[in-house]
Amino acid sequence: GENVEQHPSTLSVQEGDSAVIKCTYSDSASNYFPWYKQELGKGPQLIIDIRSNVGEKKDQRIAVTLNKTAKHFSLHITETQPEDSAVYFCAASFDDYKLSFGAGTTVTVRA
Amino acid sequence: KAGVTQTPRYLIKTRGQQVTLSCSPISGHRSVSWYQQTPGQGLQFLFEYFSETQRNKGNFPGRFSGRQFSNSRSEMNVSTLELGDSALYLCASSLDRQETQYFGPGTRLLVL
Repeated sequence: GENVEQHPSTLSVQEGDSAVIKCTYSDSASNYFPWYKQELGKGPQLIIDIRSNVGEKKDQRIAVTLNKTAKHFSLHITETQPEDSAVYFCAASFDDYKLSFGAGTTVTVRA
Repeated sequence: KAGVTQTPRYLIKTRGQQVTLSCSPISGHRSVSWYQQTPGQGLQFLFEYFSETQRNKGNFPGRFSGRQFSNSRSEMNVSTLELGDSALYLCASSLDRQETQYFGPGTRLLVL
């Protein structure tokens, strides 16, 4: 099955700086790569996703890049704010309904 | 539009008991997936239902089962609970297989 590795496991950044989280996947058939943000006591919330026919996607301060050849994708958050502090998960899937998740990155934004 | 709702939000059971968790998907969504989240294993896929049929199942023992009703609401059942079943159980809904999954707040199950 699909195996997704996520790095780093923790990330501390100064408010206003950028944060980058990287993921690699094993199944070359995977074609859908969402990113979720999970705050304490809540379920994961989709923040951005990308499909394999696209190399990059942006939504305001958030961007995701995908390198299908290398089988890795990354999340970029610019101008970080305290409300960006949360656990972020990357995931990969072939048919969308069965997501394989990374282990998560705990992001702390220091004021 | 209301999001995915899960009931109950918290549950305490003892070993050997069984439990049923409920999930109401976003209106119009026909696919419901269940995931287990634990500190040690992370987020793991349990199963997915579409139009009352289980389309796929993760690598969990037969004690974990589920079903979906004609209104797309879904339930999952865990029989003969073990301490290791303590986890956050998450439900996600989507329009169909190729669509984005939206998660509910989860049911936190504690097995004593």
